[in-house]
Amino acid sequence: EPEVTQTPSHQVTQMGQEVILRCVPISNHLYFYWYRQILGQKVEFLVSFYNNEISEKSEIFDDQFSVERPDGSNFTLKIRSTKLEDSAMYFCASALAGMYEQYFGPGTRLTVT
Amino acid sequence: AQKVTQAQTEISVVEKEDVTLDCVYETRDTTYYLFWYKQPPSGELVFLIRRNSFDEQNEISGRYSWNFQKSTSSFNFTITASQVVDSAVYFCALSEETGANNLFFGTGTRLTVIP
Repeated sequence: EPEVTQTPSHQVTQMGQEVILRCVPISNHLYFYWYRQILGQKVEFLVSFYNNEISEKSEIFDDQFSVERPDGSNFTLKIRSTKLEDSAMYFCASALAGMYEQYFGPGTRLTVT
Repeated sequence: AQKVTQAQTEISVVEKEDVTLDCVYETRDTTYYLFWYKQPPSGELVFLIRRNSFDEQNEISGRYSWNFQKSTSSFNFTITASQVVDSAVYFCALSEETGANNLFFGTGTRLTVIP
């Protein structure tokens, strides 16, 4: 069964460093998303991506964040200069079409020290 | 503005009991979708169900059933004959047609099934 994959599973970085979180969505899906979940809290939307551009972004997704689909399979989230409050689980998701169910990857736990 | 409320923070039941998880939503859109996701202790988010705003039929899938009532803006989830493997955090989520289909999640309900 196709699934969304994410690497790495855990990333530890120092404050101010850049990180890139990687995702491989399900191959025939067209919509891609990043969400984050601070420990013990709800899942929050960051950004959606369709047709090689950002469809929508939340207030959390400020200038420190960027997304890219560098090739036909990968979807990346870059945080330029990490802050302590960026520590969270980051989930990638993909959907076949808009309003369809989103399938989530296993997440990347980002720890900023 | 959209909002999803899961008033039950934590629920504990004894194995084989039935349990209902509540979800109340707010939206101005007439077309929207509602979802339930399960987050087991391992941390992944597992899709359970999607319902659109025009389909108020209740759905049953094995021990799981969902009750969608537009009149009360609720989309409740019932697990019948609960099992230890049902222990997880369950999230209700809303997607609006006018948005880019992103999901707005509730705060989740942690279900613990005691053997």
